[in-house]
Amino acid sequence: DAKTTQPPSMDCAEGRAANLPCNHSTISGNEYVYWYRQIHSQGPQYIIHGLKNNETNEMASLIITEDRKSSTLILPHATLRDTAVYYCIVRSIWGGSQGNLIFGKGTKLSVKP
Amino acid sequence: EAGVTQSPTHLIKTRGQQATLRCSPISGHTSVYWYQQALGLGLQFLLWYDEGEERNRGNFPPRFSGRQFPNYSSELNVNALELEDSALYLCASSSQGAQETQYFGPGTRLLVL
Repeated sequence: DAKTTQPPSMDCAEGRAANLPCNHSTISGNEYVYWYRQIHSQGPQYIIHGLKNNETNEMASLIITEDRKSSTLILPHATLRDTAVYYCIVRSIWGGSQGNLIFGKGTKLSVKP
Repeated sequence: EAGVTQSPTHLIKTRGQQATLRCSPISGHTSVYWYQQALGLGLQFLLWYDEGEERNRGNFPPRFSGRQFPNYSSELNVNALELEDSALYLCASSSQGAQETQYFGPGTRLLVL
């Protein structure tokens, strides 16, 4: 699976949009981009995933560049409860024989009042 | 719909003892994954079970083992506990194997004294 690069930390004002970048320049055509978040000491929470097209759900939007080498997770109106570590993960559409997700260090998002 | 559940929430053991952690997947999911998150470290993949069979294991010693029952619930056993086994143990489940989205439980925090 391709490697991802994320900034170690970001701040966002409450009520504003939080834009979290992820670089995955070695992504291949059969790899999804997944986003999870982990609020302190809890289990990771699935947010969204996409292959080529932009995706939106009730939690967030995922914008993938045309060359698929980077993506941005957008939380449209961040709240204090969105403070968490956000993980960007690249994963084969077939899951791979390994099956597991490979977590990096993620981005620590701090939403401030 | 109930999510992934894990028990116990906390577990305290002494060095050399055995620990058993349990996981119930989301209804309809057949795959269960175990991850370890030691303090200050990232999530490390431990084991993957699908349809009752071990499909893959991470880079952990054999004293980490488990099984999956006919109802798809799973146990993680850690024998001969060491201090460095103190960690948050997370279980995730997915439907139909490796290519599907994994959903995580709240975790079991194991403390080895």
